[in-house]
Amino acid sequence: DAKTTQPPSMDCAEGRAANLPCNHSTISGNEYVYWYRQIHSQGPQYIIHGLKNNETNEMASLIITEDRKSSTLILPHATLRDTAVYYCIVSSGGSNYKLTFGKGTLLTVNP
Amino acid sequence: DVKVTQSSRYLVKRTGEKVFLECVQDMDHENMFWYRQDPGLGLRLIYFSYDVKMKEKGDIPEGYSVSREKKERFSLILESASTNQTSMYLCASRDNEQFFGPGTRLTVL
Repeated sequence: DAKTTQPPSMDCAEGRAANLPCNHSTISGNEYVYWYRQIHSQGPQYIIHGLKNNETNEMASLIITEDRKSSTLILPHATLRDTAVYYCIVSSGGSNYKLTFGKGTLLTVNP
Repeated sequence: DVKVTQSSRYLVKRTGEKVFLECVQDMDHENMFWYRQDPGLGLRLIYFSYDVKMKEKGDIPEGYSVSREKKERFSLILESASTNQTSMYLCASRDNEQFFGPGTRLTVL
């Protein structure tokens, strides 16, 4: 699976959009981009995933660049409850379905 | 909603004890996973299973074994617990995305 690079931490004001970047320059053609988050003392929670088109669901939007070497997770109106570690993962979703978690980005939403 | 449950939130065991961590999912997923999470090291995959009685080693299988006798249940076994196995253990099951349990914080004294 391709490696990802994320900033270790970010801050965001409550009510503002949070834009979390991820670099995955070695991504291959069959690999998806997944985003998970982990709130303190809980298990990770799935947010969204995509292959090459932008995706949106009730939690977030995922913007993938045309060359697929980077992506941005957007939380449109961050709340205090969005404070968490956000993980960007690339995986082929093949028969072993492994996800390799890096260290993620600690997003702190400030009042 | 998919539910992944783990048998205990907190567990304290002594060195040398045999430890069973149980995980149950209710969505008929074929793939199940065990991770451990330690400060500064992130989540590391211990074992996974893609079907009943099937298992594959993850990145750090040493000191662990697993059992998958039924589709909904995936057990992690520490044959002889050691202090370096003190950690947070997370179980997950997967369809298109992985669903995680709440975790078991194991302390080995």
